[in-house]
Amino acid sequence: EAEVAQSPRYKITEKSQAVAFWCDPISGHATLYWYRQILGQGPELLVQFQDESVVDDSQLPKDRFSAERLKGVDSTLKIQPAELGDSAMYLCASSSYITQDNEQFFGPGTRLTVL
Amino acid sequence: QKEVEQNSGPLSVPEGAIASLNCTYSDRGSQSFFWYRQYSGKSPELIMSIYSNGDKEDGRFTAQLNKASQYVSLLIRDSQPSDSATYLCAVHSYSTLTFGKGTMLLVSP
Repeated sequence: EAEVAQSPRYKITEKSQAVAFWCDPISGHATLYWYRQILGQGPELLVQFQDESVVDDSQLPKDRFSAERLKGVDSTLKIQPAELGDSAMYLCASSSYITQDNEQFFGPGTRLTVL
Repeated sequence: QKEVEQNSGPLSVPEGAIASLNCTYSDRGSQSFFWYRQYSGKSPELIMSIYSNGDKEDGRFTAQLNKASQYVSLLIRDSQPSDSATYLCAVHSYSTLTFGKGTMLLVSP
């Protein structure tokens, strides 16, 4: 069964360090999303890619966060430097623009703890 | 500001009962509506999608949509302890998916 892959599953880091998360969407899915979910809240969109292009990064804290999807397949989200408030679950999702359903499928997520 | 509102719960129901989860949204231009299930510590799992007014049934799940009232609901029939999770309502408009905070459902044996 096709799935979104993410790594690492867990990451513990100290504040001011750099961290990076990787995502491989479902094969053939052109749209890729990075979300952040704080405990007790719903996921909030950080950045959306259509192929290799950024469609929406209005909620991405660009002073410390960056995202890329160079070949339009897998993607990396980076935080530098990490802050205590960045502790959260980072979720990657993908969807296919071939259908009009806009259904998004999530990977297992990366749980980030900043000490 | 697009808003999606859900009662945080917990909603407690006995095994075998019907669980009713509700969601309201603010953007009248919303086109697609989804319910995700999220177990503690896990990622959201898509369980239902609905696009037009009325009911949509899939097994024990029924999604209901009323665009005039800006209201979407999820009914779970014959609730099982394994249904205990947080249910997230998500609303799609103009290429953006907005999530509610989720309703925690507890099904007691």
